[in-house]
Amino acid sequence: DVKVTQSSRYLVKRTGEKVFLECVQDMDHENMFWYRQDPGLGLRLIYFSYDVKMKEKGDIPEGYSVSREKKERFSLILESASTNQTSMYLCASSLDEGAIFTDTQYFGPGTRLTVL
Amino acid sequence: TQLLEQSPQFLSIQEGENLTVYCNSSSVFSSLQWYRQEPGEGPVLLVTVVTGGEVKKLKRLTFQFGDARKDSSLHITAAQPGDTGLYLCAGTLSSNYQLIWGAGTKLIIKP
Repeated sequence: DVKVTQSSRYLVKRTGEKVFLECVQDMDHENMFWYRQDPGLGLRLIYFSYDVKMKEKGDIPEGYSVSREKKERFSLILESASTNQTSMYLCASSLDEGAIFTDTQYFGPGTRLTVL
Repeated sequence: TQLLEQSPQFLSIQEGENLTVYCNSSSVFSSLQWYRQEPGEGPVLLVTVVTGGEVKKLKRLTFQFGDARKDSSLHITAAQPGDTGLYLCAGTLSSNYQLIWGAGTKLIIKP
């Protein structure tokens, strides 16, 4: 079974703090993704990575950065947290079978981040 | 602009009833996926449909991809409390292979 784990289920931070969200997958998947999920908006892609040290912007990268130093780990960084970044953050991974966005994505349980 | 519209947004029915939820767009998709997300968990893939008109069955769940590959439906027969969850559709655009997510249908099945 594929397992995607996220470092925290719940996180509360203050405006202006630097926030690190960690994601680890144990199935040697090439592709990893970070989404945020907000009611009524569905999942929105923040960043994705198709290989170690490679990263691509998604639909809403502003205010975020990512790091992928090892294949199994993909970190999302909020450089200076703001209240509008309060959301559910979901990490996913997929095996590279040719088309990054049609491959089955396996999701972690999510981190609910509140920025006060 | 939401490219994938899911309806209804919320549905609460009694155990044993049938239901259909919809995923509609004006865009053409090369494939479409349905996920279920339970509270406190990430989405889990249920099915992928790739051919216009395709019908796939997963026990009491029937998924259909529209002939023009612009829409899809999920029909549940004899719903059970275990079907409760958020049902999300996600489509890969034929034009640029971007993955687009719907906002989801929140389904509650009451015992």
